[in-house]
Amino acid sequence: GESVGLHLPTLSVQEGDNSIINCAYSNSASDYFIWYKQESGKGPQFIIDIRSNMDKRQGQRVTVLLNKTVKHLSLQIAATQPGDSAVYFCAEKEAAGNKLTFGGGTRVLVKP
Amino acid sequence: GAVVSQHPSRVICKSGTSVKIECRSLDFQATTMFWYRQFPKQSLMLMATSNEGSKATYEQGVEKDKFLINHASLTLSTLTVTSAHPEDSSFYICSAASGPGRSNQPQHFGDGTRLSIL
Repeated sequence: GESVGLHLPTLSVQEGDNSIINCAYSNSASDYFIWYKQESGKGPQFIIDIRSNMDKRQGQRVTVLLNKTVKHLSLQIAATQPGDSAVYFCAEKEAAGNKLTFGGGTRVLVKP
Repeated sequence: GAVVSQHPSRVICKSGTSVKIECRSLDFQATTMFWYRQFPKQSLMLMATSNEGSKATYEQGVEKDKFLINHASLTLSTLTVTSAHPEDSSFYICSAASGPGRSNQPQHFGDGTRLSIL
């Protein structure tokens, strides 16, 4: 998801279902990608990362998929829980630098 | 591991006041720290990269005389918002990477400082 103006895209998901959050990036020089979770009033929390030489990486209940051909990144959350409600950001980094560029964010709302 | 502490968490002050925000890496050394600003319902925007022992690198459009950055040690960076005005009200967040500058290591973030200028 990408932001449009001041409106964050929102994904509403039933508790226990799987969530998929999408992110498009434009910089073909990016070689490292990270997903962060941000709860209200807090800083971003690292979830999972992936390097450009991989197309899939799994963590605990989360999977990141990278499609370099179409410059697309996704985060899959299995068995979504109420504690997963937050704003999720993708971030990318160029090989030649150390700066992160953040995507617009997607709000995930978990319905009980 | 990789804990970043930011202080204070909230500041409310009058227009014209200068405000200092501290960012500390608690359990690792950070050669480089980063300062971001986040407006409501928006993403994080990088303001500057703070390098220990040298001058900070500011992003385009960020006034270096307005936002003073000091990286005095491998565990502490400070951001001072000088002569703050209401338009400077925002959520300021710092981060640090635990690896060398260009290595692919995640940045770890502090919990941010909510700055409100009256």
